[in-house]
Amino acid sequence: EAQVTQNPRYLITVTGKKLTVTCSQNMNHEYMSWYRQDPGLGLRQIYYSMNVEATDKGDVPEGYKVSRKEKRNFPLILESPSPNQTSLYFCASTKALAGRTGELFFGEGSRLTVL
Amino acid sequence: GESVGLHLPTLSVQEGDNSIINCAYSNSASDYFIWYKQESGKGPQFIIDIRSNMDKRQGQRVTVLLNKTVKHLSLQIAATQPGDSAVYFCAEGKAAGNKLTFGGGTRVLVKP
Repeated sequence: EAQVTQNPRYLITVTGKKLTVTCSQNMNHEYMSWYRQDPGLGLRQIYYSMNVEATDKGDVPEGYKVSRKEKRNFPLILESPSPNQTSLYFCASTKALAGRTGELFFGEGSRLTVL
Repeated sequence: GESVGLHLPTLSVQEGDNSIINCAYSNSASDYFIWYKQESGKGPQFIIDIRSNMDKRQGQRVTVLLNKTVKHLSLQIAATQPGDSAVYFCAEGKAAGNKLTFGGGTRVLVKP
């Protein structure tokens, strides 16, 4: 089954404790992206990757890191989480957006609470 | 700045009636627009898209209309069903770009 898998789905942590949210897709997609979803703000892009070893900042990258060592995986790293990073996070992937209409395939989401 | 927004945060509709969800955008350079549906506890799911050189596109029970003159996008759902209850997002992007810009979402509640 074609899917984007995120882990963990739920996490409660404390300020400053490094954490990683993993994302894996089995559709051989070049493009992957992370979004955060907050009430009233919709989905905002954190980072994206056009292909392996090619990552770039989105609209709200502060406090986050990503890596793309393999095509299927795109982990989101919070080196020192803070309460304002409490949010619902979505990973998404697609074939390269250029020239296409950008149908993104989303994971089920990871709800993160930073105390 | 660029923005994609929605007119109504919540839309209540009777089962069997048609639903119309509206979206205003400000970036006239966008090449395409997409509607996503997000059910509770799930990630957004692609519904339908439309290129900027089109004004109408139909799918299964859904129709998207694009009015570039007033920068307005709408999603029409025919014969709304309980399973259509969800939050609907519009998004816009450029063919040579690297991201989609999402609106804030409209919640659709289907009454039996």
